Amino acid sequence: EAQVTQNPRYLITVTGKKLTVTCSQNMNHEYMSWYRQDPGLGLRQIYYSMNVEVTDKGDVPEGYKVSRKEKRNFPLILESPSPNQTSLYFCASSLGRGMGVEQYFGPGTRLTVT
Amino acid sequence: GENVEQHPSTLSVQEGDSAVIKCTYSDSASNYFPWYKQELGKRPQLIIDIRSNVGEKKDQRIAVTLNKTAKHFSLHITETQPEDSAVYFCAASKGNQGGKLIFGQGTELSVKP
Repeated sequence: EAQVTQNPRYLITVTGKKLTVTCSQNMNHEYMSWYRQDPGLGLRQIYYSMNVEVTDKGDVPEGYKVSRKEKRNFPLILESPSPNQTSLYFCASSLGRGMGVEQYFGPGTRLTVT
Repeated sequence: GENVEQHPSTLSVQEGDSAVIKCTYSDSASNYFPWYKQELGKRPQLIIDIRSNVGEKKDQRIAVTLNKTAKHFSLHITETQPEDSAVYFCAASKGNQGGKLIFGQGTELSVKP
């Protein structure tokens, strides 16, 4: 089954404790992206990757890191989480070529930083 | 950079009525405009999209219109049903950026039986 998976689905952590949220897709998509969703603000892009070893900042990259060592995986790293990073996070992937391609979203990760 | 404004933020309609959600974008180079539906506790899913070379697109009860001159596009849902209740997001993209989307703030649609 074609899908985007994220782990963990729920995470409660404390300020400053490094964490990683994994994202994996099995559709051989070139383009992958991370979004955070906050009430009233919609979906804001954190980082995106056009292909292996190619990553770039989105609209709200501060406090986050990513890597793209393999085509299928695109982990999101919070080196020193803070309470303002409490949010719902979505990973997404798409073919990445041509004009207008559907983004497939993962199930989401709800992160709480205390 | 691109900015997408979406209105209204909440919309309540009676079952069977029509619902319209409007979005404006700032970057005239944007050429791809998808709409995503997010049911409570679920992930966003694409419901319809339109490209800049088309003015209108319809798929059963949903339709999208695009006015490139005014830089706005709208989602129209006719004969609404309770299962249409969800948050709807518009987005804009320049297709040559391989799928980078800028989303609107979302509209929470409630369809009352």
